[in-house]
Amino acid sequence: NAGVTQTPKFRILKIGQSMTLQCAQDMNHNYMYWYRQDPGMGLKLIYYSVGAGITDKGEVPNGYNVSRSTTEDFPLRLELAAPSQTSVYFCASSWDHRGPGNQPQHFGDGTRLSIL
Amino acid sequence: SQELEQSPQSLIVQEGKNLTINCTSSKTLYGLYWYKQKYGEGLIFLMMLQKGGEEKSHEKITAKLDEKKQQSSLHITASQPSHAGIYLCGADSAGTASKLTFGTGTRLQVTL
Repeated sequence: NAGVTQTPKFRILKIGQSMTLQCAQDMNHNYMYWYRQDPGMGLKLIYYSVGAGITDKGEVPNGYNVSRSTTEDFPLRLELAAPSQTSVYFCASSWDHRGPGNQPQHFGDGTRLSIL
Repeated sequence: SQELEQSPQSLIVQEGKNLTINCTSSKTLYGLYWYKQKYGEGLIFLMMLQKGGEEKSHEKITAKLDEKKQQSSLHITASQPSHAGIYLCGADSAGTASKLTFGTGTRLQVTL
């Protein structure tokens, strides 16, 4: 069972470079999310999507872009990498919350990104 | 915005001992999620609580939700080295589950 798959696992970028963090889920979940986790801090929501073609900002969206062209994929784009974006990035997915009761989010293993 | 405070921030216990981790919300909780994280790995879902007074158990881990206090507790009985890791609580304050707020985590070490 693959679940939520994130690539790459590690990456070092130079300031000003761009890259895309990939996220794919095989559980047919409607909802997908991107978080960042800084040392000693909890997870902060960057962007989320409630379905293909629909995305919305979370708590810390500046410097990032997302797209959701399919149910399975939810890539996160960094256009001009800055040292402040050094973090561990987690992708998650869940069922539509409008079902009988809330549904837990399932997380990938994360991407460790360093910007030097 | 909602804030979640976890206590303690870190904990070292001897194998076999019991322990409790608390998660307190600044707003009413519609849903409270407990996750465990090991270094270099993602978050593993443990339990979800929705109703005031609700209590759930899985193996040696019990979680309770006290809705009136806007607080949840996670209790581990007879701790084992496999329980070591970071425990995070996540809260749904709007009844949507689409915007969870997470606490900063409690780092648990279990010594032999």
